[in-house]
Amino acid sequence: NAGVTQTPKFRILKIGQSMTLQCTQDMNHNYMYWYRQDPGMGLKLIYYSVGAGITDKGEVPNGYNVSRSTTEDFPLRLELAAPSQTSVYFCASRARLEVHNEQFFGPGTRLTVL
Amino acid sequence: TQLLEQSPQFLSIQEGENLTVYCNSSSVFSSLQWYRQEPGEGPVLLVTVVTGGEVKKLKRLTFQFGDARKDSSLHITAAQPGDTGLYLCAGAMDNFNKFYFGSGTKLNVKP
Repeated sequence: NAGVTQTPKFRILKIGQSMTLQCTQDMNHNYMYWYRQDPGMGLKLIYYSVGAGITDKGEVPNGYNVSRSTTEDFPLRLELAAPSQTSVYFCASRARLEVHNEQFFGPGTRLTVL
Repeated sequence: TQLLEQSPQFLSIQEGENLTVYCNSSSVFSSLQWYRQEPGEGPVLLVTVVTGGEVKKLKRLTFQFGDARKDSSLHITAAQPGDTGLYLCAGAMDNFNKFYFGSGTKLNVKP
């Protein structure tokens, strides 16, 4: 199992550009999450999904969009990049019926908006 | 505003010392998790506590969930350089659908 994979690892965007951060998991997990982590801080939930076709907002959804057409993939879309979106983005997944509610995280995408 | 407040933010200690990290909130959580994150990597789960008053031990690490399920602590005995990292607490809400992370405690254990 590869676990949770994210692409790209690094990206520099200009203000106003758009991009999609890719996230794929091969563990057949129902739940998937997108977080952002600013320097020296904890993680903030952007969007989450409890299964294919179902998504919902987290703490900081403004400026982002998601879709969940398959169990495996949960892409995060930035439509009009702004400097405030400079951050490290983590995707995570977890099984629906798992006593520890363990989230498995990808390696992250480091995004800089100039 | 942060739903979960962690303290201290930074901790630099000598190998062999003990330490405690705190995670506090005014909100009630369904469960409380502790993660450890190394630079350039995603967080990795250390423990999940679910019941108010619960205490869990993992070798030199002791985790406690407050009776009211609003706070938690992580105690490390005889810290080692390998314990160095960012420690994050995360509370589950909304039927375990949403997780709120604390701001983290950066621990440095010097040999």
